[in-house]
This record gives sequence, structure tokens and C-alpha cells, in this order.
Amino acid sequence: DQQVKQNSPSLSVQEGRISILNCDYTNSMFDYFLWYKKYPAEGPTFLISISSIKDKNEDGRFTVFLNKSAKHLSLHIVPSQPGDSAVYFCAAISMDSNYQLIWGAGTKLIIKP
Amino acid sequence: NAGVTQTPKFRVLKTGQSMTLLCAQDMNHEYMYWYRQDPGMGLRLIHYSVGEGTTAKGEVPDGYNVSRLKKQNFLLGLESAAPSQTSVYFCAIRTGTDTQYFGPGTRLTVL
Repeated sequence: DQQVKQNSPSLSVQEGRISILNCDYTNSMFDYFLWYKKYPAEGPTFLISISSIKDKNEDGRFTVFLNKSAKHLSLHIVPSQPGDSAVYFCAAISMDSNYQLIWGAGTKLIIKP
Repeated sequence: NAGVTQTPKFRVLKTGQSMTLLCAQDMNHEYMYWYRQDPGMGLRLIHYSVGEGTTAKGEVPDGYNVSRLKKQNFLLGLESAAPSQTSVYFCAIRTGTDTQYFGPGTRLTVL
């Protein structure tokens, strides 16, 4: 049973435009949601997070939106840059489970010049 | 990925061989994690530790053992490697309420 789902394996966006990556979850007990970015042959790096009590968090070009009623979150990247090409993972934490991260399968973002 | 190192970076084993993967941190954090990542899948938690001398099972613990004898080191052992354990293994430390910091990974192939 996948608790965190990323239904788009890949996404291609023109440089300068907005990239929107989506994530759905099933467990309403998650406390935090996170986005990680991963380049080939490297470990994932933390990008941005949002608490379950908020609906938006912004950090520079990156904004995460949380819709609890729909159990859906999205990551917006504006404007998209070539260096944003990577695999993006959505993950969720429940503090009751020793902060274990539950991961989606990832979305490969390709920024076209 | 300064602060979390993983040894070795690559390894090829034959079925039935054993090996130990080492994760070392220099940041004095309590929580450490071992994940595996397979193609088309997210990371899956194998084992974790909430402090020196403690370990606990994650989502996919079978075929692996771990030890945390020193706070800085978290070891992942494969006693009898199987082809299904071919994967990329990542170690992580918990650096905040909602964040984990990852090492560069170990790519393991079991023939």
C-alpha cells in the first residue's frame, strides 16, 4: 500500500516557465511533507518542507502547496532553470514513527533550453 | 555531502558472500537511517537507530543486520548476499524535526 504517490514518472518544461510537481498521500496522520532533489550518483538533498498545519511555504523560486482535504501537495518552481533538471521526491513524516520518511517514487524533471 | 560518508562507494558481490557497509557522521546527531533505492521506486527504509547502542527495523529489514556501537558510525551488514539486494544504499542522519541529510550512496551489485 503506497502511502505517498507521485503519479508522473517524468515532466518536461521549457526553461523560464513554471514547473509543477504533484504528490498525493493517503495517511492523514503525517506531520510534515518534504521535497528532495536528487542528481545521478548523488544522495538526495533537502529542498523544502511544509508542516501539516500550513497550506503554503515559499523559499526563493520554490513554493510548496498543501491541500489537506484532497491529501495533495505540489511543488512549484518558478522560473525553471537548467540546473533544476533532476529527480524530485516527495516524502512524508509521522512523528509517531520516529521520524521515518515515507517516500514517493519520484518524478524526473527535464528543463529544456 | 560533507558530514556523512559512506564506505565503499561501489561493490560487486557473488551470491552468498557477506559484506558490511559503513556510514560515518561528524555532526553528532542521534538518529541515523539506512535506505535502499531501486529503479522506479522511492527510497525504502531498511533499519534505523535513535542513538548509540539502539537499532530498529524499518520497512524492508529482511536479509540485513545493523549495529550502532559508536554514535558516529552506523553499520549495515549483509550476511548472505542475494541478487535481490542489488541496489543503491543511502545512509542519512536526522538534522531537524523534518529533515534528513544523506550520504553519497553505495552502489551494490550481487551476481
